[in-house]
Amino acid sequence: QSVLTQPPSASGTPGQRVTISCSGSSSNIGSNYVYWYQQLPGTAPKLLIYRNNQRPSGVPDRFSGSKSGTSASLAISGLRSEDEADYYCAAWDDSLSGRLVFGGGTKLTVL
Amino acid sequence: QVQLVQSGAEVKKPGASVKVSCKTSGYTFTSYYMHWVRQAPGQGLEWMGIINPSGGSTSYAQKFQGRVTMTRDTSTSTVYMELSSLRSEDTAVYYCARDGGSCSGGSCYPGNYWGQGTLVTVSS
Repeated sequence: QSVLTQPPSASGTPGQRVTISCSGSSSNIGSNYVYWYQQLPGTAPKLLIYRNNQRPSGVPDRFSGSKSGTSASLAISGLRSEDEADYYCAAWDDSLSGRLVFGGGTKLTVL
Repeated sequence: QVQLVQSGAEVKKPGASVKVSCKTSGYTFTSYYMHWVRQAPGQGLEWMGIINPSGGSTSYAQKFQGRVTMTRDTSTSTVYMELSSLRSEDTAVYYCARDGGSCSGGSCYPGNYWGQGTLVTVSS
């Protein structure tokens, strides 16, 4: 079981806006930054969002992140077929001598 | 440009050890921490630990304490991850990933640059 909880799947049609949730606790999301990664099949993960809502250069502004309390969300607007991928949230957890923890991942399907 | 190139796939027997390398180029090796993350077949991402290439200090996930060792060679700009006492559950793709920037405490995270991954298969 992952420390951070994500829905296993999400879907949308081209052009739609979809959100993926990530639920944690006071020792991780509640007190540390949240990060989001996109993983296309057979490839290494790619950083999408860092420090809750910051986009690395090159990431389209269709992707946005937010955090409230012990939960976070990734929103994708103007959904495109190439957005079909697995998405993972991550956060530092202050318990157990500190570690980075990931959500279980959400498989996004573009219908 | 920044590159992280990992060593090739490995097949190991239970109880053995494996050492995966991650050779870096295109940036100042000692300026960025390096993470190791693994992914079992069909499963999610799992953080293993982090090394500071500057002084060699490390921090490991408690799950891997006692079985994992991360080292670096500044002369070749290469980091290594060795995992011992392998079991079938260690079958996974292992990734090195450069930290996103000013790593300190809870602000360390795998950033924009990842290795291509190394498949380690543990089977008798």
